[in-house]
Amino acid sequence: EVQLVESGGGLVQPGRSLRLSCTTSGITFADHAMSWVRQAPGKGLEWVGFIRSKDYGETTEYVASVKGRFTFSRDDSKSIAYLQMNSLKTEDTAVYYCIRGGGGAIWGQGTMVTVSS
Amino acid sequence: DVVMTQSPLSLPVTLGQPASISCRSSQSLVYSDGNTYLNWFQQRPGQSPRRLIYKVSNRDSGVPDRFSGSGSGTDFTLKISRVEAEDIGVYYCMQATHWPYTFGQGTKLEIK
Repeated sequence: EVQLVESGGGLVQPGRSLRLSCTTSGITFADHAMSWVRQAPGKGLEWVGFIRSKDYGETTEYVASVKGRFTFSRDDSKSIAYLQMNSLKTEDTAVYYCIRGGGGAIWGQGTMVTVSS
Repeated sequence: DVVMTQSPLSLPVTLGQPASISCRSSQSLVYSDGNTYLNWFQQRPGQSPRRLIYKVSNRDSGVPDRFSGSGSGTDFTLKISRVEAEDIGVYYCMQATHWPYTFGQGTKLEIK
């Protein structure tokens, strides 16, 4: 069974950092890009970005609102994707979903990040 | 960025009746490889989004055949032939042709 499980969310003060993990099973993790999408409370969806597979140099793409603050990484040996979030702002408050690939076929259940003083 | 505009934003439907959601993009979604990367998602209350349709008209595995997608270029449609109670939720179109990928605002389907 394919599973993507996000973890690491929580309450954090503005300006601080947080790292999210996406632990996967049932997929050939190394073959796929891994994406992150977020959803602010009561709002729509925003594709935050993705990290390509090793075959594509593990290159990354970021939406403008997080560029320079967020960093994607991956550990193919553990089948885990990471989202390092620095200099967090209140507007980063959202549920963060990890997704296999860039097409949105498989989603995790999401983890809530609340940025508040 | 490509702007995705959905209509209507609210869609009250009687059970058993058809429903249709329109999605328009601010520029063509035809990629250089000839494919059109326009997807549709359903988000039921309290759940993660689920992809229903990819590349305009291809149903994902397990998606009932009452869901269909059509369109080309900048104009796309999701149709539900006969709405069932389990279809309530918010529907999003999304383009994956141009970076950054972008979603429509969402259409909330409710039962009359």
